[in-house]
Amino acid sequence: AQKITQTQPGMFVQEKEAVTLDCTYDTSDPSYGLFWYKQPSSGEMIFLIYQGSYDQQNATEGRYSLNFQKARKSANLVISASQLGDSAMYFCAMRPNDYKLSFGAGTTVTVRA
Amino acid sequence: SQTIHQWPATLVQPVGSPLSLECTVEGTSNPNLYWYRQAAGRGLQLLFYSVGIGQISSEVPQNLSASRPQDRQFILSSKKLLLSDSGFYLCAWSILAGADTQYFGPGTRLTVL
Repeated sequence: AQKITQTQPGMFVQEKEAVTLDCTYDTSDPSYGLFWYKQPSSGEMIFLIYQGSYDQQNATEGRYSLNFQKARKSANLVISASQLGDSAMYFCAMRPNDYKLSFGAGTTVTVRA
Repeated sequence: SQTIHQWPATLVQPVGSPLSLECTVEGTSNPNLYWYRQAAGRGLQLLFYSVGIGQISSEVPQNLSASRPQDRQFILSSKKLLLSDSGFYLCAWSILAGADTQYFGPGTRLTVL
């Protein structure tokens, strides 16, 4: 069974600063995908960024970057220049070599002005 | 562009009543479709997924069922709701290509009283 661990239940960050959200995973599949989603208070799950297990470079999407350390099985999300609108719950997810996406428990981020 | 719709947005139902939640996708053909449930403050749990019309795979044994009567329509049903069925239900779609990223609908908040 696949397991995703997010050890930080909640984090506070000052506006305009960077924040790193931790995610570790466990899988025996050699091929897998890693995803981060944002869930604001409205409830919708918004796709942020994707990293493939064979990708040589860390993924980046605007202010989001994924710090992928394959040997450590970690896929931390870095949000740079935090904005008030970044306050939300963030989920790390993994899809091994099938359709099933497994989610971590989530980290709540609160951006302070 | 692709869009995904879910209705109703919120629903309050008595224990023992039936349930029907609908999800439709526009702008794509033959998507993979998924139903997830999210309990309050928790991660997502995959309930069902479908790779084509009439093809449904169940992940969690329960009193819920799913159907896919049309290519871009996915329905979650129950004959008799339980209190434990309360939660936030999210539908998602993906295309089995590349990252196979799942994109989520706005969700339905179900309260069973």
